Formats: sequence, C-alpha cells, structure tokens
Amino acid sequence: DAGITQSPRHKVTETGTPVTLRCHQTENHRYMYWYRQDPGHGLRLIHYSYGVKDTDKGEVSDGYSVSRSKTEDFLLTLESATSSQTSVYFCAISDPGQNTGELFFGEGSRLTVL
Amino acid sequence: QKEVEQDPGPLSVPEGAIVSLNCTYSNSAFQYFMWYRQYSRKGPELLMYTYSSGNKEDGRFTAQVDKSSKYISLFIRDSQPSDSATYLCAMWGGSNYKLTFGKGTLLTVNP
Repeated sequence: DAGITQSPRHKVTETGTPVTLRCHQTENHRYMYWYRQDPGHGLRLIHYSYGVKDTDKGEVSDGYSVSRSKTEDFLLTLESATSSQTSVYFCAISDPGQNTGELFFGEGSRLTVL
Repeated sequence: QKEVEQDPGPLSVPEGAIVSLNCTYSNSAFQYFMWYRQYSRKGPELLMYTYSSGNKEDGRFTAQVDKSSKYISLFIRDSQPSDSATYLCAMWGGSNYKLTFGKGTLLTVNP
C-alpha cells in the first residue's frame, strides 16, 4: 500500500468554524491532490500541488485553501466551514516520473458540518 | 457534454455472472485509461490500466478500449461477492497530471 495517511479520519464541526485536513505521504511523490467525493458527483478535484509551495486550483476550489511547506505534507483548509462542504475528502499522490497518470489514494476523511 | 460519462447504476448481479461496466468520453487527447475499484468507506485503488486501444486481461478482469468510438469497458467474469464495490473509470491525456474520473458504478454481487 502507498504510504498515505490522512488525519483526522472523521470530524464533526459547526458552520463557520475553520477546519484543516492533513495528508502525509512517505513515498516522496512530487504531486499531491485533494478530492471530495459526493453522491451523484463522483470525485471532484479541489486543489493540487506539483511541488513544495507550488499549488493550483481544481474544479471546486471555492471555499478551500491549501498549503505545502514540505514534500510529504499537503494541508487542506476550510476557512469557514459550510454545510455544503460536508463530504468525504480524499488525498492522492502521483509520481510524474512513471508517466502513467496513476493516482494513489488515502483512506479518506469524513467531514460533517452541522 | 461532460468529458467522461459513466452510468452510476446501481448494478446487482448473481454470483458467477459476467459483468460489463462502461464509460464514454469526449476528449480525443485521452491516451491512458484506468479502472479504479473502491470498497465501501475506503479510498479508490487502481484495478486495471491500459494505454491506447485494445484489450488487457488480468485474471477474471478484462479492460477494453475503443478509441475510435471513445468507449471503454471493464468485464468481470465469474463475479464474486468480493467484487461488490464502486468501479470508477479514469482517463489521462498525458500532459497535466490530472485524471478525469467518471462518477462510478456501484456493483453488488449477490451470493
């Protein structure tokens, strides 16, 4: 299994509070991604990173920010959580050197915003 | 039209049945085609990977790509209850390191 750890795995919070999800990898892969998965929408890319301090937006980035200060860590922050951000969040990593596009996923973080 | 279309199902079959899962796509730049399997409350994991057109077989699983029709399929022979999962197709154009996913098909194989 790819060495990807997401924390917390489960979180319940209230509307308006800040939330940070952490993704930690031990594979030294250059690319890291945050997806959310919702019924009827599938996996949607929030933000991704192609190196330390290098990040870019995905298709559903509004309300989210990310940071990557080390190769192994990619943080996803909800500055002021809303009920529409209740979802399962997946971190993924990829190695561009493989030239296959394959992603390795973490186990997911289930967030409920009340 | 979305770049990748996948029937979400759900699909329910008896044990031993042949299962066919399909995706269509519109972007001619896609070159790499993957199928991910996702068990309940787990992250997706790569099941099959193909490049360009043709068939690829791995045990009970066969992935098929028809680039002329922009259509990919995953066949599961002798399906087992352990195959019950959501299957997601994914595609990559080779340039921006972002996969495009289908919405996934929920499969249940009944004993």
